[in-house]
Amino acid sequence: DTEVTQTPKHLVMGMTNKKSLKCEQHMGHRAMYWYKQKAKKPPELMFVYSYEKLSINESVPSRFSPECPNSSLLNLHLHALQPEDSALYLCASIGGADTDTQYFGPGTRLTVL
Amino acid sequence: SQQGEEDPQALSIQEGENATMNCSYKTSINNLQWYRQNSGRGLVHLILIRSNEREKHSGRLRVTLDTSKKSSSLLITASRAADTASYFCATSPGTYKYIFGTGTRLKVLA
Repeated sequence: DTEVTQTPKHLVMGMTNKKSLKCEQHMGHRAMYWYKQKAKKPPELMFVYSYEKLSINESVPSRFSPECPNSSLLNLHLHALQPEDSALYLCASIGGADTDTQYFGPGTRLTVL
Repeated sequence: SQQGEEDPQALSIQEGENATMNCSYKTSINNLQWYRQNSGRGLVHLILIRSNEREKHSGRLRVTLDTSKKSSSLLITASRAADTASYFCATSPGTYKYIFGTGTRLKVLA
């Protein structure tokens, strides 16, 4: 199984809502990532968890709150977002024999109204 | 910004032609990778080249790396309509961190 899954595929939320994005991988990978991608731009790193501990936070606003409940699951909790936070949110993982290759999920398209 | 630059930003070619895209980066690296992204979807890993390698092949893909110039190129030979996508280079300056280049949007016309 070389798949990273993300739910939901699409999410529309108001600025006062609280929602969560979910990412799952069953490849035994040691690190999991959240990226944000705006249209026609490259992915921007947000957070990295390695061995279930937050190892990189790229100065992301506190309205984004990551969580890694176990080695297979990564959540991104969203609260009080702004319209400019609308983007494609991508999850990725690395590990196993191919240690430097990132495996990406299909992404969650987020729209903040 | 540590972000790498890619050129061209956009490239349109006929099916069967070769496509070349270039990536320049700013920091020293452990490796450089190329990814493809079809419209609005996740990225797919294409090829990885380590800092001590100069050239690598995978099927119709050829990647070169010049660490003295901090640059890499991706060549896709005999392009197909299915190669239409955005292509990103990604550098790894340190453990777990990846920085993506600005991307090249390739359109292959049938």
